[in-house]
Amino acid sequence: AQSVTQPDIHITVSEGASLELRCNYSYGATPYLFWYVQSPGQGLQLLLKYFSGDTLVQGIKGFEAEFKRSQSSFNLRKPSVHWSDAAEYFCAVPRAGSYQLTFGKGTKLSVIP
Amino acid sequence: SAVISQKPSRDICQRGTSLTIQCQVDSQVTMMFWYRQQPGQSLTLIATANQGSEATYESGFVIDKFPISRPNLTFSTLTVSNMSPEDSSIYLCSVETGINNEQFFGPGTRLTVL
Repeated sequence: AQSVTQPDIHITVSEGASLELRCNYSYGATPYLFWYVQSPGQGLQLLLKYFSGDTLVQGIKGFEAEFKRSQSSFNLRKPSVHWSDAAEYFCAVPRAGSYQLTFGKGTKLSVIP
Repeated sequence: SAVISQKPSRDICQRGTSLTIQCQVDSQVTMMFWYRQQPGQSLTLIATANQGSEATYESGFVIDKFPISRPNLTFSTLTVSNMSPEDSSIYLCSVETGINNEQFFGPGTRLTVL
């Protein structure tokens, strides 16, 4: 069965520092992969997605993610974090043969001024 | 993309009562989903709601507890019945755009059951 692992429950970074959030997936074929962000008290916003082609994908708010098949990873990165990036980040992958998404447990990002 | 609204945005309810949550989309979509997010947790799919057919429930969720309606291609409701404090969660609806499993989410309904 498909699964998504986000190893880091909580990460704290200083404003202006770089960020990498980890996501590992288990999937039988090349999956579609998604990153969502949930700001406090808000719903989920799609940050970026990977379907095929270029393994480095660009998203909104200056985020990017790299798909690495050999490592079954889809890590999210940002070169310089802003205080407004403090939120919870979820990685997701569709179930095989269906439209339902399976979400990781999420990584909470705190930003120190 | 799709713009999704939910009503109410939050509510505080007494145990034993029921609450109906509405989800409205600004365009016609085939597939809508309802998720639950318990405090400090990730999202768990409750059911898939397709227009013109019965909702499909995930393991651990039953129609008597979470009845769903899907009267047309832009609207759905989820009812949380006979509520208990364990039902305190954020309930989110989402829609699948028909493009590569991409889903867009509503802002959520924050439910507290006393």
